[in-house]
Amino acid sequence: DTAVSQTPKYLVTQMGNDKSIKCEQNLGHDTMYWYKQDSKKFLKIMFSYNNKELIINETVPNRFSPKSPDKAHLNLHINSLELGDSAVYFCASSQEAGLMAFFGQGTRLTVV
Amino acid sequence: SQKIEQNSEALNIQEGKTATLTCNYTNYSPAYLQWYRQDPGRGPVFLLLIRENEKEKRKERLKVTFDTTLKQSLFHITASQPADSATYLCALQGGYNKLIFGAGTRLAVHP
Repeated sequence: DTAVSQTPKYLVTQMGNDKSIKCEQNLGHDTMYWYKQDSKKFLKIMFSYNNKELIINETVPNRFSPKSPDKAHLNLHINSLELGDSAVYFCASSQEAGLMAFFGQGTRLTVV
Repeated sequence: SQKIEQNSEALNIQEGKTATLTCNYTNYSPAYLQWYRQDPGRGPVFLLLIRENEKEKRKERLKVTFDTTLKQSLFHITASQPADSATYLCALQGGYNKLIFGAGTRLAVHP
């Protein structure tokens, strides 16, 4: 069973569109995260949720809106996509905040 | 400003040798330091965690040291194998709930 799964794995879309990425974890963890990994491979935290509540929003444009319907799910909705949004987005979870995170396989978003 | 620095140059070593990767941090006081491995096209995988009161931690061929005075962690892979080739990321808690990563060092082990 996959511990942290995100869908889709690949997403190609045009500028200006709205898209969502879904993430689910079956580990029973309390904390979930979204990270962006750019072309230079730097992994940058975007959001962190603890038990469905937003804890960290790292100066991400408000076109990005995370939603956590329950503590096993953390989805990412992106409005009005821009070329600079092209990156790999990783979802992760951990039992203790900031420790020993489990990552999904990533969603490669390409905005054309 | 707060920084986590890892050698951005790829590390190339011969199979069987020990690989040593460095992580330095500035303006953080982490209680824990973590190391992850990332293969191309995959998410990072947690390897080891070391606490501030531990000088050294081992797991099979992996060894991590943590020097809070030097603000540095060293990650060693002994008897390296081509299968160890990957990018290794150092990470720490930058604040509650905030898991911050260094840029990673790519390791290539040649047969």
